[in-house]
Amino acid sequence: KAGVTQTPRYLIKTRGQQVTLSCSPISGHRSVSWYQQTPGQGLQFLFEYFSETQRNKGNFPGRFSGRQFSNSRSEMNVSTLELGDSALYLCASSLGGSANYGYTFGSGTRLTVV
Amino acid sequence: AQSVTQLGSHVSVSEGALVLLRCNYSSSVPPYLFWYVQYPNQGLQLLLKYTTGATLVKGINGFEAEFKKSETSFHLTKPSAHMSDAAEYFCAVTFSYSSASKIIFGSGTRLSIRP
Repeated sequence: KAGVTQTPRYLIKTRGQQVTLSCSPISGHRSVSWYQQTPGQGLQFLFEYFSETQRNKGNFPGRFSGRQFSNSRSEMNVSTLELGDSALYLCASSLGGSANYGYTFGSGTRLTVV
Repeated sequence: AQSVTQLGSHVSVSEGALVLLRCNYSSSVPPYLFWYVQYPNQGLQLLLKYTTGATLVKGINGFEAEFKKSETSFHLTKPSAHMSDAAEYFCAVTFSYSSASKIIFGSGTRLSIRP
């Protein structure tokens, strides 16, 4: 059974550019959540999607956005990149549409903004 | 406010020694509790979880954790540390039975194993 797949694994972007990250959840998982991980702030919740609808949103600026497709695959987009956006971005999927089941995480996308 | 606190950002033990990683939470409703492990350049892997029922939860790789409601704690233990246990460990909770609940993570504890 395939796990959560995130692409690409590594990205280097320049300030001001935009970036799109992709996440394919485990087959049958309809909930996809995104987290930003940095050494200083730890794991911070970005947003959660379920059945193509954003159900929950963290405290991030509007430059961070996402969407979910009918096959449950999800993308997140960051526009007008800033140096502080450098982080490991983790995607997690959940069975049954509830975080109470626990997450299965992907390996992450390491974004470096220069 | 609801929160998760991991005591000690870095814990170092000798190989074969007891591992104890501490986690406390604050919540006005019954929590679901999790421990995750993260190896370098990897995502997080679920070690174990407590939902309801038995308060002593056994997980993978010989780890276990005990939910103590009176102490609002969910400490992670392993009787004998192995070199392969070196990683970062995150305690996490959900505070609602709502299907829209999200997981809140602690700040993590880096576990080092001395030969």
